[in-house]
Formats: sequence, C-alpha cells, structure tokens
Amino acid sequence: DQQVKQNSPSLSVQEGRISILNCDYTNSMFDYFLWYKKYPAEGPTFLISISSIKDKNEDGRFTVFLNKSAKHLSLHIVPSQPGDSAVYFCAASRAQAGTALIFGKGTTLSVSS
Amino acid sequence: ETGVTQTPRHLVMGMTNKKSLKCEQHLGHNAMYWYKQSAKKPLELMFVYNFKEQTENNSVPSRFSPECPNSSHLFLHLHTLQPEDSALYLCASSQGGDNYEQYFGPGTRLTVT
Repeated sequence: DQQVKQNSPSLSVQEGRISILNCDYTNSMFDYFLWYKKYPAEGPTFLISISSIKDKNEDGRFTVFLNKSAKHLSLHIVPSQPGDSAVYFCAASRAQAGTALIFGKGTTLSVSS
Repeated sequence: ETGVTQTPRHLVMGMTNKKSLKCEQHLGHNAMYWYKQSAKKPLELMFVYNFKEQTENNSVPSRFSPECPNSSHLFLHLHTLQPEDSALYLCASSQGGDNYEQYFGPGTRLTVT
C-alpha cells in the first residue's frame, strides 16, 4: 500500500493565481517532507522541505504547510507562472542520513497564460 | 561540471547483455542512491550507499549489482535483465548529517529488448 499519496494526478491554474498541490501520508514515523519538481527528460529538482517540528516553511513563491494530525501536507505556489508547469512530487522520510525518500506518484501542474 | 551527472542518458540492451550505468556527484556529498521509476509508478528506492558502505538494498533482484568505489561515484551493473526492467533509473546524492535533501541526476532511460 502506498505510504505517500498524491490523489490529484493533474491540476490546471491560470497565471498569477495560486496553485495548491496536496499530499497525504500514512506512516507516522515520517518526520521530514520534501517537494520536488520534474520536467520531462530531467531528474527531479528539489524545491522545498519541512521538518515535522514545523507547520510551515516558506521560500519565495513556494510555501509548504504540514498538518501532522491529519498526516497532510500541501505546496502553495503564489503567484503561479507558466514556467511552473511540471510534475510535482511529494516525498517523505525519516530525518536520518542515508534514508530512502518515499515518493508519491506526482501531480502534473499546468499553468496557462 | 556541477551537480549529479549520469551516463548514458539512454540505453537499449538485449536480455543477454551486460551493461553499466554510471553516476557522479560533484557536490561533496556522503550518501548516494539508486532509484527506479517505472511507468505509472512512483520512484522506488533500489540501493543506498552511505560513506561508500551499502546501507540499504530494497529487495532488488541480483541481476542489478551496485558498486560505490568512492563517495563521488556510483555504478549500477546490469546483466540478464528482463523487459519489465525497462524504466528510468535515477541516481541521487545527499550531504548527510542534518541535511536530508537528495539531489537527483537526469536519469538513464533503459529499454530492455
């Protein structure tokens, strides 16, 4: 059974609006969460992360929110830009060096101008 | 050259061939990883090397054999693969310590005929 779930395979947003990508996890042992962005023919690119001791982390246009009680995290992109169009992966792990990341299946974001 | 590089980018091999995938990281990281991404599936961890020692083998068949000669290089030796092994193989590295972000290479697209 999948431990990290991204239930929306795709999301379409207009340029300038907010994009909200969601992720749920089942394993309460996870204590570190990451978002990656992937363009075709490239490897995933690290975007932003959050430790379980926080509920929000912000980096420019990107903000990740963590709700531990609901085992839910979300990535907000404001304002959305056409260059943000890509596949976004949520990943979770134990906060431990050399530990695997457990990935969701990804959400394809399309930002139209 | 910077970041994480992988060669070759594309590989077509027959089921009786032997080939190797190469990964090199120029980030001074201490941990390296092999992941596999099959169609319609999330990225799945295959192997982890932490300070050149293999610390995780995620029940990978023996037809995949990793090698980590030093902290900057990682190989994946392939022999007698099956068509279902066709996938995108991604290498990643991470610094270790309190830094858990993993940085990915562009991947090798493998097709087994």
